[in-house]
Amino acid sequence: EIVLTQSPGTLSLSPGERATLSCRASQSVTSSYLTWYQQKPGQAPRLLIYGASSRAAGIPDRFSGSGSGTDFTLTISRLEPEDFAVYHCQLYGSSPTFGQGTKVEIK
Amino acid sequence: QVQLVQSGAEVKKPGASVKVSCKASGYTFTSSDIYWFRQATGQGLEWMAWMNPNSGNTGSPQKFQGRVTITRDTSISTAYMELSSLRSEDTAVYYCARLNLDQYYYYRGMDVWGQGTMVTVSS
Repeated sequence: EIVLTQSPGTLSLSPGERATLSCRASQSVTSSYLTWYQQKPGQAPRLLIYGASSRAAGIPDRFSGSGSGTDFTLTISRLEPEDFAVYHCQLYGSSPTFGQGTKVEIK
Repeated sequence: QVQLVQSGAEVKKPGASVKVSCKASGYTFTSSDIYWFRQATGQGLEWMAWMNPNSGNTGSPQKFQGRVTITRDTSISTAYMELSSLRSEDTAVYYCARLNLDQYYYYRGMDVWGQGTMVTVSS
């Protein structure tokens, strides 16, 4: 079973700053199936990035994804107030799995 | 618009069963697989089951096999997730989500999610 480990657990930043979130897989994975979601309190996850680097419909270009093999990154170039949330990476496949999430909070 | 609307919150006693519905609208229900996840308070997301609404084929991880039943009613574009033998550890928000594949069946993420259904298991 592939395990996804996200770091850091919490990222404290100010609006306008750059956020870099990491997702590491326990073994090499197909980047086509690496996905990022945003989740705000009391809401369902929202699809941000699929295929490691493709933005979903309606997602601002300040969100970008990169990586391959075991290491993947979600970057938010300039944090807007609405970006403070929890971010989950997910690996789709026969047994979809999520990382434990990274909370981006206001510093 | 494309949406999945889930049934309301439930409170159940240990040992009981719960059935959560997920009604699709704005797209052809049988054209996209539906996945079920859950999230305990302050925890990550956990995959529970999958269904192809067209064929009725389902799958779930070993952890839930024998306890989870996924069904659908195509006449009303609704999928159902029933979890039996409930215990306190099953207290969580349960979500359905649509799998998006493009015209070439390439993965495009889970692009539509239900609003979530809180299930509380308490004596």
